Amino acid sequence: DTEVTQTPKHLVMGMTNKKSLKCEQHMGHRAMYWYKQKAKKPPELMFVYSYEKLSINESVPSRFSPECPNSSLLNLHLHALQPEDSALYLCATGHIDEQFFGPGTRLTVL
Amino acid sequence: GDSVTQMEGPVTLSEEAFLTINCTYTATGYPSLFWYVQYPGEGLQLLLKATKADDKGSNKGFEATYRKETTSFHLEKGSVQVSDSAVYFCALGREKLTFGTGTRLTIIP
Repeated sequence: DTEVTQTPKHLVMGMTNKKSLKCEQHMGHRAMYWYKQKAKKPPELMFVYSYEKLSINESVPSRFSPECPNSSLLNLHLHALQPEDSALYLCATGHIDEQFFGPGTRLTVL
Repeated sequence: GDSVTQMEGPVTLSEEAFLTINCTYTATGYPSLFWYVQYPGEGLQLLLKATKADDKGSNKGFEATYRKETTSFHLEKGSVQVSDSAVYFCALGREKLTFGTGTRLTIIP
């Protein structure tokens, strides 16, 4: 059983579309993370939310906009993406000594 | 800054072979060290961790020892199975996780 869920599993979008990725956790952790993982590469940290406040933004372009509506939900709003943004987007929760990852959303930008 | 150097892959072994995946790190102080595993089409799962020097992390037959003198955290397993085929990431944790490049492991029957 995965305790971090992500929707959708797959997403194909054009460069002019607006879409959102969703992440939900019921593990009670107060930190949530977005990572981007390109093929055959390690995950790269994008954003960290701690107690529903953005605490780390790793200089991510503004076409990615995170949102944390409550302690269980994390969204990533996408707008005007580029083909090079195609990747697996992973959500995680936990703390530095143990992070729990969701299965990811595989995003393709045409 | 912090960095992790991981053994180049891919690695292909026969079932029941002994596995070592090398990992060394560069960091100041005493970060926590981790091995994460990613099975095809899935997110990452924490395999094992060690939070201080000389600690040994272990899980599912895998082991790694935090060696401060050699700045290493090598992953070992005595007898691998086909189900161990996956990508393995060594990582260092402080304010955030710093991952190595990953090692793809394939076990053939």
